[in-house]
Amino acid sequence: DTEVTQTPKHLVMGMTNKKSLKCEQHMGHRAMYWYKQKAKKPPELMFVYSYEKLSINESVPSRFSPECPNSSLLNLHLHALQPEDSALYLCASSRNRDRGNGEQFFGPGTRLTVL
Amino acid sequence: AQRVTQPEKLLSVFKGAPVELKCNYSYSGSPELFWYVQYSRQRLQLLLRHISRESIKGFTADLNKGETSFHLKKPFAQEEDSAMYYCALFGNEKLTFGTGTRLTIIP
Repeated sequence: DTEVTQTPKHLVMGMTNKKSLKCEQHMGHRAMYWYKQKAKKPPELMFVYSYEKLSINESVPSRFSPECPNSSLLNLHLHALQPEDSALYLCASSRNRDRGNGEQFFGPGTRLTVL
Repeated sequence: AQRVTQPEKLLSVFKGAPVELKCNYSYSGSPELFWYVQYSRQRLQLLLRHISRESIKGFTADLNKGETSFHLKKPFAQEEDSAMYYCALFGNEKLTFGTGTRLTIIP
């Protein structure tokens, strides 16, 4: 399996809801990433996990809570989001931490709408 | 801080004509540069990396450290090249994308 999968494809939630985004890869990659992409903008890095440990948090608000239960799975827990958080959320993975992490494999994304 | 600049938001080129998508970067260390592409209704995917110096789908890109550029070129555009192209820099353990250029090939 050479793809990164993301579920759900679309998610609509209210500002008081709690939901989770899921990302999975079976390529043996040991780095995984969450990006946020607004319409007509490039992806912006949110979090980096390396060997299942959080290594980078790009000053993301605490209403976004990442989790990496194992080397194949990455979750993004959402709580009390704001309408401006509506965006495409992309997951990516890469082989290792040092050389080769610029080559990232992206999932199709979850289109999130916050009402 | 690292930065990637793509000066053209939109670029239209006739089929068979040469294509050049511009990319300039700012980074204090030794950069790793990439071109990513997103075709309509497809996921973002890697097109080229400067380290491998390869040609993919007829595209090439040369890293010019003196001009801090990594322009993407193709001698003869094809209709299937229409897509969104992002130049990206990997540094400080992060991948930073330029704002992207939407390339349209006119038949």
